[in-house]
Amino acid sequence: DTEVTQTPKHLVMGMTNKKSLKCEQHMGHRAMYWYKQKAKKPPELMFVYSYEKLSINESVPSRFSPECPNSSLLNLHLHALQPEDSALYLCASSQGTVVAGELFFGEGSRLTVL
Amino acid sequence: AQSVTQLGSHVSVSEGALVLLRCNYSSSVPPYLFWYVQYPNQGLQLLLKYTSAATLVKGINGFEAEFKKSETSFHLTKPSAHMSDAAEYFCAVSPNNAGNMLTFGGGTRLMVKP
Repeated sequence: DTEVTQTPKHLVMGMTNKKSLKCEQHMGHRAMYWYKQKAKKPPELMFVYSYEKLSINESVPSRFSPECPNSSLLNLHLHALQPEDSALYLCASSQGTVVAGELFFGEGSRLTVL
Repeated sequence: AQSVTQLGSHVSVSEGALVLLRCNYSSSVPPYLFWYVQYPNQGLQLLLKYTSAATLVKGINGFEAEFKKSETSFHLTKPSAHMSDAAEYFCAVSPNNAGNMLTFGGGTRLMVKP
């Protein structure tokens, strides 16, 4: 199983809503990532979890709150978002963060903030 | 800080023609370099990677890239384009002590004409 599964695929939310994006992998990977991708732009790193601990937060606003309940799951909790937060949110995983292995990406969750 | 620049946001080739996508990197020490492909409405998939072993790297789907230190380049090539190669291609760089901390270039959209 070399899949990273993201749910939901599409999400529309108002600026006062609270919602969550979910990501799951069963490859035994110990590093998991959240990326944000705006239309026609490259992915931008948001968060990195290594061995279930947050290791990198790329100065992301607090309205985005990551959580790693266990080594297979990664959540992104969303609250009080702005319309400019509308984007494709990609989850990825890898065996670690040091050795240059391969990042496995999910298909993404497309978020629209009204 | 490391960065990559992809020359040409759009490249159009005829089916069967040579594909050449350009990537130049900026780094004070030899980095790790990657090419990823993104098909519409999907996540990213690794095509190939350079991690200081052979300078000519072969990847999936007939793609290859050559690391040229003197030119600080890592261009992606394929001898004969196929319609299914139409996608967005991202060059990425990471430091060699944190191989999975990727910084992506701006992307090149490859269009293949019949």
